[in-house]
Amino acid sequence: AQSVTQLDSHVSVSEGTPVLLRCNYSSSYSPSLFWYVQHPNKGLQLLLKYTSAATLVKGINGFEAEFKKSETSFHLTKPSAHMSDAAEYFCVVSDFFGNEKLTFGTGTRLTIIP
Amino acid sequence: EAGVVQSPRYKIIEKKQPVAFWCNPISGHNTLYWYRQNLGQGPELLIRYENEEAVDDSQLPKDRFSAERLKGVDSTLKIQPAELGDSAVYLCASSFGRSSYEQYFGPGTRLTVT
Repeated sequence: AQSVTQLDSHVSVSEGTPVLLRCNYSSSYSPSLFWYVQHPNKGLQLLLKYTSAATLVKGINGFEAEFKKSETSFHLTKPSAHMSDAAEYFCVVSDFFGNEKLTFGTGTRLTIIP
Repeated sequence: EAGVVQSPRYKIIEKKQPVAFWCNPISGHNTLYWYRQNLGQGPELLIRYENEEAVDDSQLPKDRFSAERLKGVDSTLKIQPAELGDSAVYLCASSFGRSSYEQYFGPGTRLTVT
């Protein structure tokens, strides 16, 4: 079985300061991990993905995430927050050699303080 | 390139009434997914199609939910009769090939059952 735990339901940061959204995963196989972002009234958009290549993954809009097998973590970071980053972020796991089903976390709402 | 199109965007119905949602995937994407997203939760897969074949419908409540994907392009998800607990956002996604690693999501249909 696979699952993800997003450790914070809501994160607030000031514009221009770093962003850290935390995610821990559980997977029986070699996992693939993703971060998706959901802006209000918009579809989910893929930010970045890890599929057993480099452990530091760079995505769109300056976001990146590091796969740490020893800690079963896949935290999302950005050096400097922008107002347009305000959205809901989902950490997602898929079993690479399993049924490829995506399992979503419960989401982290990111608020940017002007 | 046009994205995944869903209609309607919003639907309000009374309980016990039927409702249908329509999805048009990205051109050339042969895999189509229907998800349900409850308030404050991540999306959960209801059904996955490869072309016109439903290859994973284990999470679809078959007593009241049905889906079809005639000709392997557009898809319709139906609920009959609707219950109060069906209030949610219904998301459609598509991907190229069998891989689930890069799914493209539509904006969703927000269903309210009163």
